[in-house]
Amino acid sequence: GAVVSQHPSRVICKSGTSVKIECRSLDFQATTMFWYRQFPKQSLMLMATSNEGSKATYEQGVEKDKFLINHASLTLSTLTVTSAHPEDSSFYICSAPKTGTDEQYFGPGTRLTVT
Amino acid sequence: GENVEQHPSTLSVQEGDSAVIKCTYSDSASNYFPWYKQELGKGPQLIIDIRSNVGEKKDQRIAVTLNKTAKHFSLHITETQPEDSAVYFCAASPYTGGGNKLTFGTGTQLKVEL
Repeated sequence: GAVVSQHPSRVICKSGTSVKIECRSLDFQATTMFWYRQFPKQSLMLMATSNEGSKATYEQGVEKDKFLINHASLTLSTLTVTSAHPEDSSFYICSAPKTGTDEQYFGPGTRLTVT
Repeated sequence: GENVEQHPSTLSVQEGDSAVIKCTYSDSASNYFPWYKQELGKGPQLIIDIRSNVGEKKDQRIAVTLNKTAKHFSLHITETQPEDSAVYFCAASPYTGGGNKLTFGTGTQLKVEL
């Protein structure tokens, strides 16, 4: 397999502030990473595709100015939730396909709570 | 776009019994079908996958079957153990070797009872 890490694992922030979540591929390079959010007892909902060296591609209904994605290197993508509101509270998970394959490996997730 | 349906939503089995989870997909262009296991509070873990040029794949107690004509694929877990209890997700995507978007099913909560 391959290892994907996320940081932080949990974060609590106040309404109106911004939060940055990091996703790293530890033992392989990833030109593409995916960001999902998951509500309790629900499936994973794809938010955006992060592309190294270019702009992210957002799914329909996802505000690109609210969820800023930066894929600055072949092993790191970041998701910044700007002006967070309580309804942004969720479990955010990233995934990365091993280069040249379709096997996607997921990070352990970040639990965001906005108070 | 692709639509993946998954059944059942919950499944309880006795330890040692088999468990079967079924998925259907809508897009005939899909040809990569992974299965993920997600434990509470953790990210999904890839447990097995199958590509459309294969009808069945097995890895110890886990097997996946694919019927491309009917657009069905299933996960089979034999000799279930309490540690198999988790939420299982099926997914589908077109395969180009470059990492494509996955469309997930709605998940199955598997509970293995002693």
